[in-house]
Parts: sequence; structure tokens; C-alpha cells
Amino acid sequence: DAGVIQSPRHEVTEMGQEVTLRCKPISGHNSLFWYRQTMMRGLELLIYFNNNVPIDDSGMPEDRFSAKMPNASFSTLKIQPSEPRDSAVYFCASSPDSGTRFSTDTQYFGPGTRLTVL
Amino acid sequence: AQSVAQPEDQVNVAEGNPLTVKCTYSVSGNPYLFWYVQYPNRGLQFLLKYITGDNLVKGSYGFEAEFNKSQTSFHLKKPSALVSDSALYFCAVRDSGGFKTIFGAGTRLFVKA
Repeated sequence: DAGVIQSPRHEVTEMGQEVTLRCKPISGHNSLFWYRQTMMRGLELLIYFNNNVPIDDSGMPEDRFSAKMPNASFSTLKIQPSEPRDSAVYFCASSPDSGTRFSTDTQYFGPGTRLTVL
Repeated sequence: AQSVAQPEDQVNVAEGNPLTVKCTYSVSGNPYLFWYVQYPNRGLQFLLKYITGDNLVKGSYGFEAEFNKSQTSFHLKKPSALVSDSALYFCAVRDSGGFKTIFGAGTRLFVKA
């Protein structure tokens, strides 16, 4: 199993540009999570999906951020337009979580995408 | 609302000594508790979890954690630290009646040779 795959691993862009981060979860996993990690704010949950449906997007900082999961094997996180304060490491994680309130499954994290917005 | 606190930003310990990384939590229902580790330039890796049963949970790399319901704590421990244990450790909690797992701010562990 290749684990969770994220691309690109590093992204440097200029303020105002559109940025798209990609994630391939572990095959068979039902839940997918997007996190942002910064020194100041630590690890923040942005959004999570269960069976390709967004369940909780309350962590998405503002309308500039959007996430999609068109099928069970692919998800994107898009920032448009990007700003310097979006610079962070973005992690994708997946879980075999059944999506029920009583699930106990752990999360498997990808290697992250380090985003720098100049 | 659920929350988790890691009161120490950093823990320093000499190699061969026991280590403890502290975690306290707050949930409305029964807690599901997790520990993850992050090495430099890597994603988080699962170490262990408590769901129910024995309060002492054993996990990867010789780590263990003790669930204490009265103190609402879930401290991570290891009897003998290794230099290679140096990393960032995250405690996480999920309310058994909820959907979301909340991560603590992380504690950086330094093990000195």
C-alpha cells in the first residue's frame, strides 16, 4: 500500500495566484481530511469528507478556500486567490472510518504539501 | 464541546531515562484518545489509541499511555528514551458521540545522548 499520496510536495507561488493541492487517499478508506499546520496555529482541521460528501467544513478559513472530492480516490484543495498568510504545510489524511458517530478508526496522514505564497 | 491540552511545549530527557508527555482532555461523552508522532518533514503517524477497556494502552516503538478518567488525562510514556524518539507528539481526542477528532498543539520531545 502506497499510503496517502499528496502532490505537489512543495509549491511556491505569488500572491493572487490560484493554488491546487491534490490528494489520493488509501484505497478503501471512507473518510478524507484536509489539515493545515503552521507554527502559530498548530494543526487545524479544514474540512472532512465521508463517502465523498463534505461533512464538516467549519474549519475552512474563508471563501478563498474550496475543497472537492469527485470520487473515492481523489480530492483537491484549492485556494483562489492565494495570500502570504496561507503559507503553511497542508496535510491530507484518510481513515477507514465508517462515518458513524461511534467509529474509532485512526487517521493515516500523507507527507504534506509545503505551500509558500510570496 | 471537546478540547485537548498539551501543557508542555517541549520536553527534554536524557537517553535511557523514562519520558512522559502530558495530555488532558475534555469531552461531553466517553472519550476516544489518540497519540500521533511527527518526524521532521513527515506527516503524522499513529502511535496508539484508547477506546475502552484496560486503562494502560501499549503502542508502537515501546510507547504506552495511561487513561485516567478522574483526572481526564492520557499521558504518553516510555520507560527508556532513545535519541530517535525526538519528534513532535500530538494528543487527539474524539467524543464517542461526535464526528470530529481534535488535535492538541503538540509537544516537542528532545532526547539528548
